[in-house]
Amino acid sequence: QVQLQESGPGLVKPSQTLSLTCTVSGGSISSGSYYWSWIRQPAGKGLEWIGRLYTSGSTNYSPSLKSRVTISVDTSKNQFSLQLSSVTAADTAVYYCARSSPGSYGVFDLWGQGTMVTVSS
Amino acid sequence: QSALTQPPSASGSPGQSVTISCTGTSSDVGGYNYVSWYQQLPDKAPKLLIYEVSKRPSGVPDRFSGSKSGNTASLTVSGLQAEDEADYYCSSYAGSNNLYVFGTGTKVTVL
Repeated sequence: QVQLQESGPGLVKPSQTLSLTCTVSGGSISSGSYYWSWIRQPAGKGLEWIGRLYTSGSTNYSPSLKSRVTISVDTSKNQFSLQLSSVTAADTAVYYCARSSPGSYGVFDLWGQGTMVTVSS
Repeated sequence: QSALTQPPSASGSPGQSVTISCTGTSSDVGGYNYVSWYQQLPDKAPKLLIYEVSKRPSGVPDRFSGSKSGNTASLTVSGLQAEDEADYYCSSYAGSNNLYVFGTGTKVTVL
């Protein structure tokens, strides 16, 4: 079955760019029609949707993070990536990648296990 | 876009029912029948429990049910079991600009 796995540095310095990758296994990221999202969760707090990438490559971002976020895809590696620029301590969180289907309007039926990112000098 | 409002905690004894509310606005919960609920066990990723207000994915026990009235959605866990002790989050579609918003989360304790 399809699985998602996040990877990337666990520590990022303030003002730098956070870069994470989500590897899709057990299926092709470009087969079928899916949205691939990034969602984060600061310790002890709630979930926050960051943005999504459609199979076609089109993207949508949360208005509150739009100026700092880029989500891209590498179909040759069956991966999609998150870049978050100019990070601060407020960006410290567990970052999840997740899948949803068009027409499901935000039903995230498959999640990665999450990866912790700390922003600190 | 503000987070949807959930009570921080809820509790019940085994076998009892617990209901969690999720309050938004007419721009999210009240405007669309696209409310989902997720269960998050400690140190685990969220798991989809309910979608489109009241639908259950296959494999989710019918002890979990969802409903909506106006700007408030609700999740009811009937026949509470020890394994139901977790954090629960609602989410809603919030239109083409904001897309998705999550709730503040509710910690359910089985007494």
